[in-house]
Amino acid sequence: AQSVTQPDIHITVSEGASLELRCNYSYGATPYLFWYVQSPGQGLQLLLKYFSGDTLVQGIKGFEAEFKRSQSSFNLRKPSVHWSDAAEYFCAVGTSGNTPLVFGKGTRLSVIA
Amino acid sequence: NAGVTQTPKFRILKIGQSMTLQCTQDMNHNYMYWYRQDPGMGLKLIYYSVGAGITDKGEVPNGYNVSRSTTEDFPLRLELAAPSQTSVYFCASSIGGGFDEQYFGPGTRLTVT
Repeated sequence: AQSVTQPDIHITVSEGASLELRCNYSYGATPYLFWYVQSPGQGLQLLLKYFSGDTLVQGIKGFEAEFKRSQSSFNLRKPSVHWSDAAEYFCAVGTSGNTPLVFGKGTRLSVIA
Repeated sequence: NAGVTQTPKFRILKIGQSMTLQCTQDMNHNYMYWYRQDPGMGLKLIYYSVGAGITDKGEVPNGYNVSRSTTEDFPLRLELAAPSQTSVYFCASSIGGGFDEQYFGPGTRLTVT
């Protein structure tokens, strides 16, 4: 079965600074990888997804993620963080077939002035 | 196109009471899911459905029941509510299974006292 780990529970960055959120997955074949964002009091919204092809994936709100098979990682990046990016971020891994996505426990991002 | 809707938004139950959390999607998605979210614990899958009439258990099904009589609706039933069921509940849907993006509702915040 697949699994996903988000090593950082909480990260604080200054507005305008760059951001990288880590995600490591475990799965024997090529996974389907997703990043979701959850603003306070809201449901989850998809930021981006990787299925195959180009390992650098562009998403909404200026986010990107890079799939690195050798490191079993799918880290989320943003070059310049805005205060509105403060939220919880979830990485998820999926496979072909009926098995639902498996979500990481999330990383909470705080943005300071 | 409303997406995934959930009712109610908030509810307080007494121990031993029962209730049904409603979830409806208007995207004609085959797959539907129920998650609970507790602080710092990420999302835990309660039940999911791959189509009308077909449901399966997730990671934490005890104390809950589901049914899927139509494509659109996937209600979650709590029988004999317990304080451990205090949580935020999210419904989601997707076209396909583990390889597909899930669309989330806004959540139901449930408190059992």
